[in-house]
Amino acid sequence: AQSVTQPDIHITVSEGASLELRCNYSYGATPYLFWYVQSPGQGLQLLLKYFSGDTLVQGIKGFEAEFKRSQSSFNLRKPSVHWSDAAEYFCAVGDPLSFGAGTTVTVRA
Amino acid sequence: NAGVTQTPKFQVLKTGQSMTLQCAQDMNHEYMSWYRQDPGMGLRLIHYSVGAGITDQGEVPNGYNVSRSTTEDFPLRLLSAAPSQTSVYFCASRRLAGSTDTQYFGPGTRLTVL
Repeated sequence: AQSVTQPDIHITVSEGASLELRCNYSYGATPYLFWYVQSPGQGLQLLLKYFSGDTLVQGIKGFEAEFKRSQSSFNLRKPSVHWSDAAEYFCAVGDPLSFGAGTTVTVRA
Repeated sequence: NAGVTQTPKFQVLKTGQSMTLQCAQDMNHEYMSWYRQDPGMGLRLIHYSVGAGITDQGEVPNGYNVSRSTTEDFPLRLLSAAPSQTSVYFCASRRLAGSTDTQYFGPGTRLTVL
């Protein structure tokens, strides 16, 4: 069975600092991996996805993620956070999608 | 394109009442799905459909019915609402041709069952 774990429920980061969100997955085959972002009161927007090939994936809004098969991880990163990045972030795997519990990011001035 | 639309945006029900959450997409997507979002649990799949006339259960299907009579519409029915169904419901769609395609989400319906 496929599953996703996001170990961090809540992360607070200063504006301009770097951000890394962790995601670990369990999947029987080569996984389809996704990161979605949800701003308060909004639906989900796809940030990036990985299926095969280069393990470093670039997404929208300056985000990137790295697939590490040996660690069953797909961590999301951003070098310099903006106040508008405050949101909830979800990692998801497979088809149909299985979602992690989410990580809420707070950005302080 | 309007994308994925959901109605209503908010709904309050009493225990035992029935209702239908509407979902429509104008992208000619074969695959549609319903999720519920609860605090600390992420999104959980309720039902999905790979095309008109074909539906299947997801992780948490109990208490919900779906049908898919057209490509565009995928309504979710609560036959007898329970407080445990208080949640935010999201509908999503994508092309079926390759599960690598992006899944598009609607804005959600916030349901409260008293």
